Amino acid sequence: DSGVTQTPKHLITATGQRVTLRCSPRSGDLSVYWYQQSLDQGLQFLIQYYNGEERAKGNILERFSAQQFPDLHSELNLSSLELGDSALYFCASSVAASWSTNEQFFGPGTRLTVL
Amino acid sequence: KNEVEQSPQNLTAQEGEFITINCSYSVGISALHWLQQHPGGGIVSLFMLSSGKKKHGRLIATINIQEKHSSLHITASHPRDSAVYICAVTGNQFYFGTGTSLTVIP
Repeated sequence: DSGVTQTPKHLITATGQRVTLRCSPRSGDLSVYWYQQSLDQGLQFLIQYYNGEERAKGNILERFSAQQFPDLHSELNLSSLELGDSALYFCASSVAASWSTNEQFFGPGTRLTVL
Repeated sequence: KNEVEQSPQNLTAQEGEFITINCSYSVGISALHWLQQHPGGGIVSLFMLSSGKKKHGRLIATINIQEKHSSLHITASHPRDSAVYICAVTGNQFYFGTGTSLTVIP
């Protein structure tokens, strides 16, 4: 158990809908990362927040947005969902901001299925 | 164009064998990461390195910055090592390899 929690575990929804994925980092970690893992694209970095502020952006679509709240939990919002958004979404956390010097701890993931 | 290439894609080994997984990258990096993903989907960070070599139990990771290459070695492999091993690099961005699926047969 990494100490990172994600809810829900599974989510099934229809095209065009909007969903929110939630992540609670390990106690004491200030950084949260979001990743998408699909069968055809593999793992992709989406976005990083550090202490409430956006720190780095990867291949995040405009239809997706994220935020980190004062209690440090984070939410990833996916809207106007398409079939291709079906994937595993992972959240990870680390103590500090640098992704090159701080080990990341991964949550169990949320499996999103868009029908 | 893949910034991170891993080989082999799939690997089957007998229990006890010495295993090597390779990772080559084409971008400037500040660190290289080795991740393990078990069949259930969970991801664990195994190593983060920017130079030299690190060892943790039966796992050894090396990196050659000049050649832009890293290797993950597993000594005395065991069926519980069966997983997907993913190489990732961080610099200005975060890039992932497509993973090496390892199966260790008893």
